[in-house]
Amino acid sequence: DVKVTQSSRYLVKRTGEKVFLECVQDMDHENMFWYRQDPGLGLRLIYFSYDVKMKEKGDIPEGYSVSREKKERFSLILESASTNQTSMYLCASSPYRGPSYEQYFGPGTRLTVT
Amino acid sequence: AQKITQTQPGMFVQEKEAVTLDCTYDTSDPSYGLFWYKQPSSGEMIFLIYQGSYDQQNATEGRYSLNFQKARKSANLVISASQLGDSAMYFCAMREDFIRDDKIIFGKGTRLHILP
Repeated sequence: DVKVTQSSRYLVKRTGEKVFLECVQDMDHENMFWYRQDPGLGLRLIYFSYDVKMKEKGDIPEGYSVSREKKERFSLILESASTNQTSMYLCASSPYRGPSYEQYFGPGTRLTVT
Repeated sequence: AQKITQTQPGMFVQEKEAVTLDCTYDTSDPSYGLFWYKQPSSGEMIFLIYQGSYDQQNATEGRYSLNFQKARKSANLVISASQLGDSAMYFCAMREDFIRDDKIIFGKGTRLHILP
């Protein structure tokens, strides 16, 4: 069964802390994605990766960085968390040029920065 | 300009009625794919249905069908015989094939409430 897992469902951090959000997929997918979801704004792409050690900026990369050292793991890093980064973070993966290229999502991490 | 537009922020529908969720898209790429996802209150995103731009027939998956009108750049989701469990947020999304990175662009979503 297809599976994308995220390290935490809920996370509370303080302003200025360095935050790591981990995502692991067990489907041998090449592509991995990080989104944030805010009410009324839908899903916005932060970063994506289509291969190990490769990364591309999405629509809102400011304040974030990513790491992909292994194919199955894609980490999102908030270098210095701020309150405007309070959000739901969703990780997804997809096969490269698969039949429909649908993305498989993890359960999400609801991050609160105080 | 928005690539994916969902004009209905929220909808209320009586149980067992059919539902149409609107989606229009904007692309100059001749090859693209359209998706619908469901997000229940638990938060997980569930893939519902896919339509390729060259597909001749409208996609169907059980009670879900995609009303694809290419000339109008419209990809509405139709849910037949709605159920209480259909209450959720629904997102329309698009992938443009010219861009190799397999990104999917999401609309802002429609919150569907099914009334008993």
